[in-house]
Parts: sequence; C-alpha cells; structure tokens
Amino acid sequence: DAGVTQSPTHLIKTRGQHVTLRCSPISGHKSVSWYQQVLGQGPQFIFQYYEKEERGRGNFPDRFSARQFPNYSSELNVNALLLGDSALYLCASSSVGEGANEKLFFGSGTQLSVL
Amino acid sequence: AQRVTQPEKLLSVFKGAPVELKCNYSYSGSPELFWYVQYSRQRLQLLLRHISRESIKGFTADLNKGETSFHLKKPFAQEEDSAMYYCALSGQTSGSRLTFGEGTQLTVNP
Repeated sequence: DAGVTQSPTHLIKTRGQHVTLRCSPISGHKSVSWYQQVLGQGPQFIFQYYEKEERGRGNFPDRFSARQFPNYSSELNVNALLLGDSALYLCASSSVGEGANEKLFFGSGTQLSVL
Repeated sequence: AQRVTQPEKLLSVFKGAPVELKCNYSYSGSPELFWYVQYSRQRLQLLLRHISRESIKGFTADLNKGETSFHLKKPFAQEEDSAMYYCALSGQTSGSRLTFGEGTQLTVNP
C-alpha cells in the first residue's frame, strides 16, 4: 500500500509566482482534501473534492484553487504567492466524501517556502 | 463557528506515569471528535475517534458534552508515545472538513 503520495516534497518560490501541488490518493479512495499547516499550528482545511466535485471550501482567498481528476488525483493551485503562504500543505484521502467519522489518510506533505 | 483548543503546547511525563492531553471544543451541533498523532518523521495518522469508543495503544478518550471536552488519557505512558497529538472536530455532515487544535507535543522521559 503506497499510501497517499504528494509531490513535490519541497518547493521554493518567490512572491507573486504561481505553484501547483499534486496528490495521489490511496487506491479506491474517491475523496481528497487539502490542508495548510503553518509552523506551530494545527492543519487548517482548504478544500475537499469528492467524485471530481468540490464538496467543501475553507476560509482561504480565491488565489487558492483545486481540482480533482477522473483518476481521483488532485492538484492544489496557489496564485500570486505571498510570504504568508509558506507552510506545509497536506493532502488527505478517504473512501467516502460525506458523513461523519471518516478516517483520513494523510500524505507526507509539500513544504512550500515563499521568499 | 467551530473551534478546538488544546491548552498545552508541551507536556512532559516520565515513563509509567499517567498522561492526559486536554482538548476542549466549541460547536453548535453534535460534533464528531478525533485524536490524530504524528510520530517523529512519520505522517499524521488517526489515533482514535469517539464514535468507535475504542482503545488504541492504551489510549482512551471520552466525550464530555457538558464540559465540551475530549481529553486523551493513558494510565501508563511509554517512551514510544512521544509524539505530537492533535485533537480534531468534524460536523456530522462535513466529512473531511476537520478543525484541528494547535497540538500538544508529548515527551515521555525514561
């Protein structure tokens, strides 16, 4: 079981640039969610996608967008990068998209540094 | 709005001592509560969820709706329990949308 895979593992960008982060869920999982974890804080919800449709959006500006592909992999895009976007971006997958008590399986994350 | 508070950023105990990691929440409906754990150089993983009423690695957590708490407890801490622990909350229909606390770094000393 490869688990949730994210790429790249590390990324350095400058202010104003654009970035794309990628996530492949566990085989058979149809739901992917994205979280931002700033150093010293807990993960903060950004998006959830299930069956290629957005099912939830956190309190993030429109510079953040995402999509899910037919194979259930997902991309997180961030435009016009700010210094404050520097964080660990986590992807999590689960087998269902709704209801309570879903067990989320997390990837190792992409560490984004904005200079 | 939903919120999770973990009042202790750092907690240090000796091996064999009881440990309690505190978690308080605010949520207007009936929440689902979880504890996630991150061991050194490993990815974040689910430890337990209140609906299952399970005990994992000797840890238990009881949901106290009156005190809006979901404290994590273990009667005898082990060195391998050293990790970062996150309490998280989900609304009944919000699926993968978890609200996490800021985490408690537990260190179990020999």
